[in-house]
Amino acid sequence: AQSVTQLGSHVSVSEGALVLLRCNYSSSVPPYLFWYVQYPNQGLQLLLKYTTGATLVKGINGFEAEFKKSETSFHLTKPSAHMSDAAEYFCAVSAYSGYSTLTFGKGTMLLVSP
Amino acid sequence: EPEVTQTPSHQVTQMGQEVILRCVPISNHLYFYWYRQILGQKVEFLVSFYNNEISEKSEIFDDQFSVERPDGSNFTLKIRSTKLEDSAMYFCASRPGGSGGGEQFFGPGTRLTVL
Repeated sequence: AQSVTQLGSHVSVSEGALVLLRCNYSSSVPPYLFWYVQYPNQGLQLLLKYTTGATLVKGINGFEAEFKKSETSFHLTKPSAHMSDAAEYFCAVSAYSGYSTLTFGKGTMLLVSP
Repeated sequence: EPEVTQTPSHQVTQMGQEVILRCVPISNHLYFYWYRQILGQKVEFLVSFYNNEISEKSEIFDDQFSVERPDGSNFTLKIRSTKLEDSAMYFCASRPGGSGGGEQFFGPGTRLTVL
C-alpha cells in the first residue's frame, strides 16, 4: 500500500522568497514520485518526476525536488517565488510496476504575496 | 500540443439520475484513468483501463460505476444512480505505453454536482 503526506494545506511566501513544499511518502516497493500543479479551473500538470537515477530532479518553471530514501521524502523547492506560482501543488506516488495508479497527497495551496 | 479533453465542464443532476462523463484521451495513449476530487479532499483513484478492459479499480468504484471506450477515441465514466456524495471534480487521464512510472496527462475535469 502507498500513501502520501503533504505538510501544510497552505503555504504563504513573498515574491522572491524560497518556496519549500513538503512531501513524505510511504511505499512497500520502490516508488515513482511526482509533483503536479493545478491552476484554478485547470487540470493537473506535471511539474517533475523521479523514477530512477539522479535523486535531484529538475522540472518546469524553475522547480526541483530531491528524493531522499532514508527520509522517505520528496520535497519541492524553488529558489525565488513568482506571483504566477500561486496554485495548488500535489505530490503523488506510484509503484514502479503495474498500471501506475497514482496515490495523491491532499495538496498544498501556495500563496504568493507581492 | 495534444491534450486530454473532458465534457461537460460542469454537470448538475438530481440524485438517482444517471450521468455520463466524457473524455477524449491523447490519441496514441494506451492507458486510461479516472480520478475524482471531492471538494477540499485529495485526488482519489477510481479506475484504470487498458486493452479494452478494467485493469485496476479502487473500492470507491462500486457497481454504480462503469467505464467504456465505445469508439476508440472516447473514454466514458457512467454513474448509474447518482448520490449526493458523488458530487466531486472528476479527472480523466491517459498515458502512453511502456513501463510504469510514465507521466499521466490529465484533462481539465468535469465538476459534477448532485442535488
